[in-house]
Amino acid sequence: EIVLTQSPGTLSLSPGERATLSCRASQSISSSYLAWYQQKPGQAPRLLIYGASSRATGVPDRFSGGGSGTDFTLTISRLEPEDFAVYYCQQSVTSPLTFGGGTKVEIK
Amino acid sequence: QVQLVQSGSELKKPGASVKVSCKASGYTFTGYAMNWVRQAPGQGVECMGWINTNSGNPTYAQGFTGRFVFSLDTSVSTAYLQISSLKAEDTAVYYCARYLGSVRSLDSWGQGTLVTVSS
Repeated sequence: EIVLTQSPGTLSLSPGERATLSCRASQSISSSYLAWYQQKPGQAPRLLIYGASSRATGVPDRFSGGGSGTDFTLTISRLEPEDFAVYYCQQSVTSPLTFGGGTKVEIK
Repeated sequence: QVQLVQSGSELKKPGASVKVSCKASGYTFTGYAMNWVRQAPGQGVECMGWINTNSGNPTYAQGFTGRFVFSLDTSVSTAYLQISSLKAEDTAVYYCARYLGSVRSLDSWGQGTLVTVSS
């Protein structure tokens, strides 16, 4: 089973700041199989990034993904008020797919 | 547009069963696998498994075998999650989510169904 470890658990930042979230896989995975989701309170997760770096439809370009092998990142270039949420990475190399534990981006 | 609409919240006693539905619209139901995802209160999301909507073949993640059953009614484009012998620790929000193979991720999600297990 591929385990995804996200860090930090919580990121306290101010609007306008840059956020960098990490997702580490327990074994190397193709970037094609790594996705990121955003979840706001009371809502279902929403697909943000697929294939490690491709933005889903309607996702603002302040969101970017990168990385390869075992280390992947989600970057939010300038935090907007609506970006404060929990973010999950997910792999689909193995079935069933698995999620990381999440990173909460909170207002400082 | 793609929509997944789930059934409403449920309050059940320990030992009872529950069946959650997920009705799909806006696309060909049998063309995309359906995943089920659990989120316990204050916790992260975890994939319970998925069902092949063409063959009806389910795949369950570790920890979701035995009491959990995925099923379909393709005539009404609906997927179901049934949980039997409910325990307090089954209290969670359950989501259905469509797997889009071209992006290898879950591109559309239901609104979630809260199942509360309490005596």
